Amino acid sequence: QKEVEQNSGPLSVPEGAIASLNCTYSDRVSQSFFWYRQYSGKSPELIMSIYSNGDKEDGRFTAQLNKASQYVSLLIRDSQPSDSATYLCAVNYNAGNNRKLIWGLGTSLAVNP
Amino acid sequence: KAGVTQTPRYLIKTRGQQVTLSCSPISGHRSVSWYQQTPGQGLQFLFEYFSETQRNKGNFPGRFSGRQFSNSRSEMNVSTLELGDSALYLCASSLGRTGEMEKLFFGSGTQLSVL
Repeated sequence: QKEVEQNSGPLSVPEGAIASLNCTYSDRVSQSFFWYRQYSGKSPELIMSIYSNGDKEDGRFTAQLNKASQYVSLLIRDSQPSDSATYLCAVNYNAGNNRKLIWGLGTSLAVNP
Repeated sequence: KAGVTQTPRYLIKTRGQQVTLSCSPISGHRSVSWYQQTPGQGLQFLFEYFSETQRNKGNFPGRFSGRQFSNSRSEMNVSTLELGDSALYLCASSLGRTGEMEKLFFGSGTQLSVL
């Protein structure tokens, strides 16, 4: 059973701080990694994708990937109250001709003004 | 550009009944995926359709089925409903091309309650 693990939180950070969200995955051959944000009562929306080891930056968001450690993280700089949401980590899994995303349960982030 | 449209928004059914959910993807998107979301299990992949063919499949029983039409609209059917089928069912569309298929745009979902 392929798994994606996230700390459920809640992770609470003050406004302006850096929020660090972590995700580990079990399938060594996974190649694509995604962070989705889900506000309460809303649907997930894609905020970052990463495919290669290292860092990928997009505005206040940085995704970090370490395939050797099977670890992907999301950093949110200058956190804002509007960043308060659940962050879902998703990892692709290929089995023959079948391809799907495996999702973590999400980390709840609360940014306090 | 219109987003992903799911209907109905809410459904209440009883055990043993069947239900059909509908999803219209973003214009130009050829891939439609269906997910079940529950608090305990999170997002679980049901299946993905691309150009009217089921391209990928999750680990759900055969009671869960789907189809896609030539205009990329998709339907999901659940037969012989069980209490455990109560969940939020999300549809997501994507371009479906290699490198893009997991960049999903989700609809608002259908909240299904089975009594």
